[in-house]
Amino acid sequence: NAGVTQTPKFRVLKTGQSMTLLCAQDMNHEYMYWYRQDPGMGLRLIHYSVGEGTTAKGEVPDGYNVSRLKKQNFLLGLESAAPSQTSVYFCASSSLAGVVDTQYFGPGTRLTVL
Amino acid sequence: GNSVTQMEGPVTLSEEAFLTINCTYTATGYPSLFWYVQYPGEGLQLLLKATKADDKGSNKGFEATYRKETTSFHLEKGSVQVSDSAVYFCALTGVSGGGADGLTFGKGTHLIIQP
Repeated sequence: NAGVTQTPKFRVLKTGQSMTLLCAQDMNHEYMYWYRQDPGMGLRLIHYSVGEGTTAKGEVPDGYNVSRLKKQNFLLGLESAAPSQTSVYFCASSSLAGVVDTQYFGPGTRLTVL
Repeated sequence: GNSVTQMEGPVTLSEEAFLTINCTYTATGYPSLFWYVQYPGEGLQLLLKATKADDKGSNKGFEATYRKETTSFHLEKGSVQVSDSAVYFCALTGVSGGGADGLTFGKGTHLIIQP
């Protein structure tokens, strides 16, 4: 099993450009998450999904949109990138097992917005 | 809301030294508590977890005990190795929605082990 994969690994954008980050998991997990990691800030939740066709806002959702059209995929979109969105983005997934379940993380996407 | 506070790094130790990384939390209800580890250039991996008061999580020589009375989940290891050099994150689940609403992380502690 590949676990959680993220595409692309690196990306450089200019201010105002758009892009989509793809997260895929092959563990049949119900829950999926997008976090951003900034120096000295830990990880902060952007959006999450509790199942196919559902999405919800996390702690820092502004400037991002998400979609979960298929259970195994969770897409994060930036419609008009800003330098403040320069960060490392992590996707995670977990199964429908209540509060104790482990989140499995992808390797991350490093995004730079100039 | 929920929050996690952990000691700022970097923490630099010599090989075979005893390690403690402090973590305290604020949460409503009874969250589950986690320690994740991030090696350079990689994503986060679960190191250990505890789901209720007085539970002890352990893995790879690391231990942490869920202390409800002091709202703490300190990470310890008796003898660290160079390979333990990484960033360590303390985290807790939300207590609504069955934990589906993501984890709250501390800012991370960078651990450096010198040979």
